[in-house]
Amino acid sequence: GNSVTQMEGPVTLSEEAFLTINCTYTATGYPSLFWYVQYPGEGLQLLLKATKADDKGSNKGFEATYRKETTSFHLEKGSVQVSDSAVYFCALRDTGTASKLTFGTGTRLQVTL
Amino acid sequence: NAGVTQTPKFQVLKTGQSMTLQCAQDMNHNSMYWYRQDPGMGLRLIYYSASEGTTDKGEVPNGYNVSRLNKREFSLRLESAAPSQTSVYFCASSPEATGRNYGYTFGSGTRLTVV
Repeated sequence: GNSVTQMEGPVTLSEEAFLTINCTYTATGYPSLFWYVQYPGEGLQLLLKATKADDKGSNKGFEATYRKETTSFHLEKGSVQVSDSAVYFCALRDTGTASKLTFGTGTRLQVTL
Repeated sequence: NAGVTQTPKFQVLKTGQSMTLQCAQDMNHNSMYWYRQDPGMGLRLIYYSASEGTTDKGEVPNGYNVSRLNKREFSLRLESAAPSQTSVYFCASSPEATGRNYGYTFGSGTRLTVV
């Protein structure tokens, strides 16, 4: 079956540091890959996505590249801000009937001044 | 645009009580989903509705029922609440069930405590 593995958190960084959150996946088909962000007390919001190999998704300074050869979709940001503190979820959606999003367990990011 | 609206936002129930969580979307999406979120366990799918008139079980359906009332609305019912159902519940929608390129749009959640 499909699965998504994320690095354990929490990740604690100082403001302006470089961020990497690792995500690897297992899929039976040819999935699309997503990153969602959840701010405290809110629902999940789509941050970025990539639908085929070597695609790069980007939004709000965050980037992730779909690497089929390593089955990875790592999230990066060059300079984090305190306002980026949130939980980040990697997810995949595979082909097939009634395909559904499969989520990782989430990685909490805490950015301090 | 409201997107996905969930009510109520907070609820405290006593063990054995029943309640219905409401969800409505205004994006003309075909597919709707109910998840629960527990610490350290990510999101787990309870039930989903691929299209109006259909519902199917997800990973953790025991203790829950759902109704796809129309294309806009998808409700989740707890018939006899248990402390193990204390969680944050999220409703989500997607344009279609089979479109792998589409993500989901989530509501802001219902925080349920069963005492």
